[in-house]
Amino acid sequence: QVQLQESGPGLVKPSQTLSLTCNVSGASITSGGYYWSWFRQLPGKGLEFIGYVYFTGSTYYNPSLKSRVTMSVDTSKNQFSLKLTSATAADTAVYYCARYPRIISSGLDFWGQGTLVAVSS
Amino acid sequence: DIQMTQSPSSLSASVGDRVTITCRASQSISIYLNWYQQKPGTAPKLLISAASSLQSGVPSRFSGSGSGTDFTLTISSLQPEDFATYFCQQSYSTPWTFGQGTKVEI
Repeated sequence: QVQLQESGPGLVKPSQTLSLTCNVSGASITSGGYYWSWFRQLPGKGLEFIGYVYFTGSTYYNPSLKSRVTMSVDTSKNQFSLKLTSATAADTAVYYCARYPRIISSGLDFWGQGTLVAVSS
Repeated sequence: DIQMTQSPSSLSASVGDRVTITCRASQSISIYLNWYQQKPGTAPKLLISAASSLQSGVPSRFSGSGSGTDFTLTISSLQPEDFATYFCQQSYSTPWTFGQGTKVEI
């Protein structure tokens, strides 16, 4: 069974960089065929797509966050990462990683449990 | 970006009720619409992809329909475990976008 697990600091100071890692088990990131994605859910709100990374390292970022986002993949550890620079209180959210099969008719089939990141001094 | 609008934002229902949730896209997305269920404190769960394709293990009381800009999620007979928030999401074009959610309450 495919499992994803987010990890990283639960508290980030304003202006610092929010860094999260998603560890994947039960599937190999290098098998291809999937976009490894990040989302966030602001308190009491809907879901926002942040971007995705392919195992080759190619990326797509939501234009609304593009200037602050970097995603990468570590194939040796079977994990992928998110960095969001210049964090503000508006970035306080539950962050999820998820897998998206590279087929337009697919949905996000496996998700991590989510991790709450608060941006506060 | 494609805007996704769900209605209603919340609804009250009873066990055994037929429940319908609608999702409208700001432009045509063909059939590339997915539905998710989310319970408090947990990640979203994919129920239906490509407007009407039921995911493995999802009860048959869930069904989806629609194409173009208008889509529907139907729960034919609401069960206690179905009380949750439901989101639609378009996979037609990036950035992928979600509806604001519909909370199904008792």
